[in-house]
Amino acid sequence: EPEVTQTPSHQVTQMGQEVILRCVPISNHLYFYWYRQILGQKVEFLVSFYNNEISEKSEIFDDQFSVERPDGSNFTLKIRSTKLEDSAMYFCASSPLVTGWGQFFGPGTRLTVL
Amino acid sequence: AQRVTQPEKLLSVFKGAPVELKCNYSYSGSPELFWYVQYSRQRLQLLLRHISRESIKGFTADLNKGETSFHLKKPFAQEEDSAMYYCALKAWGQGGKLIFGQGTELSVKP
Repeated sequence: EPEVTQTPSHQVTQMGQEVILRCVPISNHLYFYWYRQILGQKVEFLVSFYNNEISEKSEIFDDQFSVERPDGSNFTLKIRSTKLEDSAMYFCASSPLVTGWGQFFGPGTRLTVL
Repeated sequence: AQRVTQPEKLLSVFKGAPVELKCNYSYSGSPELFWYVQYSRQRLQLLLRHISRESIKGFTADLNKGETSFHLKKPFAQEEDSAMYYCALKAWGQGGKLIFGQGTELSVKP
């Protein structure tokens, strides 16, 4: 059964550094998402992406964040200048349609900002 | 405001006992509701969609619009059901984002 994959599984970085989190969605899916979960808190929506553009973003997704689908298979989340409070588990998800289906999640990337 | 509430952080039952994990939502339109399960050190997995009215691994959930609830039930819990369970709401026409509850940790004791 096809699955969403994410790399790396764990990323440690210094505050102020740029990080890129990578995701490979399920191949015939059209809608892509990033979520994050700070330790002990709920899973929070960051951004949705369809047809090579952002369809919705949350208040968390400020100018420090960007997403890209550079080559038709990868879906990346970039944080330009990391802050301590960006430490969290970041989940990528994909869905074949926007309604009527659930979203399929990757295993997550644990980001630790020191 | 769109919100999902799971009032119990931890639910502990014995094997064979019935289980009900509560989920209430706040949404002005017609929501899509889901249950996700996360076993230890694994990814979030879709367990149920309210649209399909299916039963997966013995779990069922019924949408009650009057009570704005989508409780997850299983008549006889098994030890392998121990996991984190998240209720999520998808709002129509907003890019399909999911709004999650805080999650309930289910512990099934032998």
